[in-house]
Order: sequence, then structure tokens, then C-alpha cells
Amino acid sequence: GAGVSQSPSNKVTEKGKDVELRCDPISGHTALYWYRQSLGQGLEFLIYFQGNSAPDKSGLPSDRFSAERTGGSVSTLTIQRTQQEDSAVYLCASSSGQGRSNQPQHFGDGTRLSIL
Amino acid sequence: GNSVTQMEGPVTLSEEAFLTINCTYTATGYPSLFWYVQYPGEGLQLLLKATKADDKGSNKGFEATYRKETTSFHLEKGSVQVSDSAVYFCALSDPYNFNKFYFGSGTKLNVKP
Repeated sequence: GAGVSQSPSNKVTEKGKDVELRCDPISGHTALYWYRQSLGQGLEFLIYFQGNSAPDKSGLPSDRFSAERTGGSVSTLTIQRTQQEDSAVYLCASSSGQGRSNQPQHFGDGTRLSIL
Repeated sequence: GNSVTQMEGPVTLSEEAFLTINCTYTATGYPSLFWYVQYPGEGLQLLLKATKADDKGSNKGFEATYRKETTSFHLEKGSVQVSDSAVYFCALSDPYNFNKFYFGSGTKLNVKP
């Protein structure tokens, strides 16, 4: 596609349920990022992938959060046993990830997650 | 650790007014600095960047200068337009892990005709 695509755009679920958020990056982009934006807060870095590998998982808030990327393309962020504090907008971004210079990130529109 | 602090909004200006949105950072080493913008109903997009001290990033009439001595990267525009109404985010990339980014909390700009 032309841009980063995230689905669903909105998700409402009950506390304790598991959720999966999907990100489809720009074709050919090797780097993929997940962020969380809580109400009134900045973007909180969660994890990034270079290809299918995640060199830095330090931003994941707890062991209930996990992410994977397959085929160097689509990524899934999974939150198990959701809690109300997980309510936020989850943003995905991708970049070409080439070389050591900072390539611009292209963001999706996000998934708004609401935990009841 | 690394962090970014930017001025709280919302900032409300009249068209053609001068804009400054303050951004300061804390980082070890020499990070790259960025401004991202999110227009209503759209995703974040890169506005400008600077990769070393004294560099000036510019785009669409916006400018920001990387000031190492004051650890700042303030965003400026000489004459704002209604179409500049958006949320602006200051960010830095970890100098030792350039794929790791830290964002400020965002500043909402409202420009009135």
C-alpha cells in the first residue's frame, strides 16, 4: 500500500481479554516501530524490528505485551489479559532502516484501544 | 537517560503571527533531533530534522536549530497560517541506538483566521 496501515482502527474490549493489533508497513521498509500514546502523553517507545528481529524490547511495559514480525513485513502486537491502564492509541511506524543515518519514520493512523 | 520536554499547549495564535514552540532534551552523546507534525485526522509525519550541533532543519517555512549548549531544538515560523493548525512533537533518537526514539508530549497549535 501507499502508507502504513493499522487495524483495527478502534478496539473496545473487556478487562482480562487478549487483543491483537496489526501493522502493515510500507513495502520495502525494513524497520518497524510500535509506540503507545496515552491521553495527554507523548509517544512511548515500545519495540522496534529490523527485519524480523527485535533488537530492543526494553520498552514493552510488562510481560503481557509481545510482538512479532513475519516475512519482514506485517507485525502483530499482542496484549494478554488486558488492564484498564492499557487503554491508549497504539501507533506503528516504518522506515527504510538503511545505513546508520536516521531515516524518517512513516506513521500509521493508529489503533485506539479501550479497555472496559 | 534520554528524554524530551516541550511546552504545553494549546498554543493559540492569529494568522500571520510568529510561532515558537520550545523543546529541550536530555541525552548522553549527540542525538539527532526531529519535529513531527500531526494534522487533524492524519498520521504523524516528519516535519524537519537536524543531525548535529548548529544544524538548522527547515521545511514548509518552519525552522529549528540544534543548540548543544542549551540542549534545545525550538520550532519557529515567521508567519503561521490556519493550515498549520496541528499537534507538533519534538523527538530525539538515541545516539547509541539510532533506531530508538523518544518523543515529547506534543503541543497543539490553533491558528485563527
